[in-house]
Amino acid sequence: AQKVTQAQTEISVVEKEDVTLDCVYETRDTTYYLFWYKQPPSGELVFLIRRNSFDEQNEISGRYSWNFQKSTSSFNFTITASQVVDSAVYFCALIWWYGGSQGNLIFGKGTKLSVKP
Amino acid sequence: DAGVIQSPRHEVTEMGQEVTLRCKPISGHNSLFWYRQTMMRGLELLIYFNNNVPIDDSGMPEDRFSAKMPNASFSTLKIQPSEPRDSAVYFCASSLTGAARITFFGQGTRLTVV
Repeated sequence: AQKVTQAQTEISVVEKEDVTLDCVYETRDTTYYLFWYKQPPSGELVFLIRRNSFDEQNEISGRYSWNFQKSTSSFNFTITASQVVDSAVYFCALIWWYGGSQGNLIFGKGTKLSVKP
Repeated sequence: DAGVIQSPRHEVTEMGQEVTLRCKPISGHNSLFWYRQTMMRGLELLIYFNNNVPIDDSGMPEDRFSAKMPNASFSTLKIQPSEPRDSAVYFCASSLTGAARITFFGQGTRLTVV
């Protein structure tokens, strides 16, 4: 079965603090893709990053970085020097690929991040 | 480039009424998805179209829900009759086919059934 777990329901930090959002996934497949989406208070879902299961290199984009570790089935997201505008709900998601078939996005429950000034 | 466009953004209706949500996917995308978001259940896939054909509707809650995609640039999700428990945010999303696809979401329709 495929599953995405975001154990942190809510996190609150003060501006400029670093914060890490955890994501643990389950899949039987060797080929899969992991995603992070951001949902700001305005409600839309914004794509942030996609990683495939064969690429474990960490990625950095400005203040955002992602740590993918297959050994622990984790794909964690770190925001460095958080800002109030980072306040949002963040979703981790998975797409699996097996035997020529593919699934659709399976989302975690999301982590609500509040960054206070 | 225009993203996924949904209408209306907000809908308030009375129980028993028919509700139709509309979606225009990103031009060139051949996969379209309808998701529902609630506090209790999070983001759930309702139905998935590929090349205008429904591929997986196992997430459609019951017969009151139906979805159509008459052409590559338009889809509807209809609820008839609506019930208070249908209150949620409904997202339409589109992508190119393929496991590596990035799915782009519309801004959602917030439905309130009173």
